Amino acid sequence: SQQGEEDPQALSIQEGENATMNCSYKTSINNLQWYRQNSGRGLVHLILIRSNEREKHSGRLRVTLDTSKKSSSLLITASRAADTASYFCATAPNAGGTSYGKLTFGQGTILTVHP
Amino acid sequence: DTEVTQTPKHLVMGMTNKKSLKCEQHMGHRAMYWYKQKAKKPPELMFVYSYEKLSINESVPSRFSPECPNSSLLNLHLHALQPEDSALYLCASSPREGQGYTFGSGTRLTVV
Repeated sequence: SQQGEEDPQALSIQEGENATMNCSYKTSINNLQWYRQNSGRGLVHLILIRSNEREKHSGRLRVTLDTSKKSSSLLITASRAADTASYFCATAPNAGGTSYGKLTFGQGTILTVHP
Repeated sequence: DTEVTQTPKHLVMGMTNKKSLKCEQHMGHRAMYWYKQKAKKPPELMFVYSYEKLSINESVPSRFSPECPNSSLLNLHLHALQPEDSALYLCASSPREGQGYTFGSGTRLTVV
C-alpha cells in the first residue's frame, strides 16, 4: 500500500511561475523525502526533511513538513522548462530498527513547465 | 564516484529464461534496495539490504531472488517470470537505511 498521496496529480504552469505540490501520509515518520523522475528513468533525490524539522530550503526548492497534519509541501520557485518531470514524496517510517529502510513513495505529481 | 550503475539497461526474456540484473555503487553506502516501477505508477519496494544482509523482503515472489555479494554489488536473479513482471527495475543505495537514496537509471524488463 502507498503511504503518501500527492496533490495535484498533474500541474501545468508557465516558465517563471512557482509550482507547489502537496503530500499527505498516514503513519508516523522518521523523515520525508522528495524525488524527481524524468521520462520514467531513475529518480533523483531532491531534499530530505526530518520529523523534527518544519522547513528546509535547497536552491529554488522549499519543503515544509507539518507532522500534526501528516502533510508536506514542495515549492519550486521561478520554474524552468527543465523542471518538467514527475515529483514524488517518500516517507521513511518511524518504526525503529530495519524498518527505516521501508521508504514508501506517494503517487506523484506530473509537473509540466511551458517555455 | 556518485553514481549507481545498473546493467543491462534493457532486457527481453522469455518466461522460461534465467537472467540477472546487476547494480553497483562505490560511494561506500551500506544500504541497497531493489524497487519495481510500472508505467505511470510510483516505485514499489521489493528488497532492502543493510550491511550486506537482507533486512526487508516485501513478500516478493520467489521467482525474484536477490543477492548481495559484497558492499558494492547487488544482483537480482530472475527465473520463470510472468508477462506481468514487465516493468522498470530500479536499484538504489543510501549511506544507511532511510537516508537520501541515490538511484540507478534502471533496467527496463520485458517478459515475453
